[in-house]
Amino acid sequence: GESVGLHLPTLSVQEGDNSIINCAYSNSASDYFIWYKQESGKGPQFIIDIRSNMDKRQGQRVTVLLNKTVKHLSLQIAATQPGDSAVYFCAEKGQAGTALIFGKGTTLSVSS
Amino acid sequence: NAGVMQNPRHLVRRRGQEARLRCSPMKGHSHVYWYRQLPEEGLKFMVYLQKENIIDESGMPKERFSAEFPKEGPSILRIQQVVRGDSAAYFCASSPPAVGEQYFGPGTRLTVT
Repeated sequence: GESVGLHLPTLSVQEGDNSIINCAYSNSASDYFIWYKQESGKGPQFIIDIRSNMDKRQGQRVTVLLNKTVKHLSLQIAATQPGDSAVYFCAEKGQAGTALIFGKGTTLSVSS
Repeated sequence: NAGVMQNPRHLVRRRGQEARLRCSPMKGHSHVYWYRQLPEEGLKFMVYLQKENIIDESGMPKERFSAEFPKEGPSILRIQQVVRGDSAAYFCASSPPAVGEQYFGPGTRLTVT
């Protein structure tokens, strides 16, 4: 079946540290992946995406890495700030080609 | 440049009543998706619509739930005869044609008493 999961439900870091949030997916046919940030009481906010023909993509302070060999996705946040505190979800595009399949999320807590 | 809009933001219904959730996609987006999120969980896909068409409803419960996206007006997710288990946050997302990225609205939090 299709599933997307995250390795750790919570991650606590100090302000200024780099954060790495991991995600494992099971469907080798998935060709599109997105990281979302969700703050309490709000909808998911797009952070960065990557297609399966790439293994790395960089944005502003964020980098997504895709390892298709082991079906692993990670989100790296540089110089983590208190405003980065939120729940982070990875999502993959399933075999239907339309719906996103979400993992359960990692709660990132940043202390100053 | 308004984002995806959803209303109401909070909805309280008694068991057996009907709930109607509305979603207006971003300007220029013709694809709408509905997801449900239970507390402490990720989002679960429910239905994907284009104007006047349901493309994929594989995530919709077989009974009591329906969705539409008319030619004019917002997309509607309708839940008839609500039960306590329907209490959740319902999110709508939209995307342009042929693009994977989906933009989410703020959600409607449904509470069934």
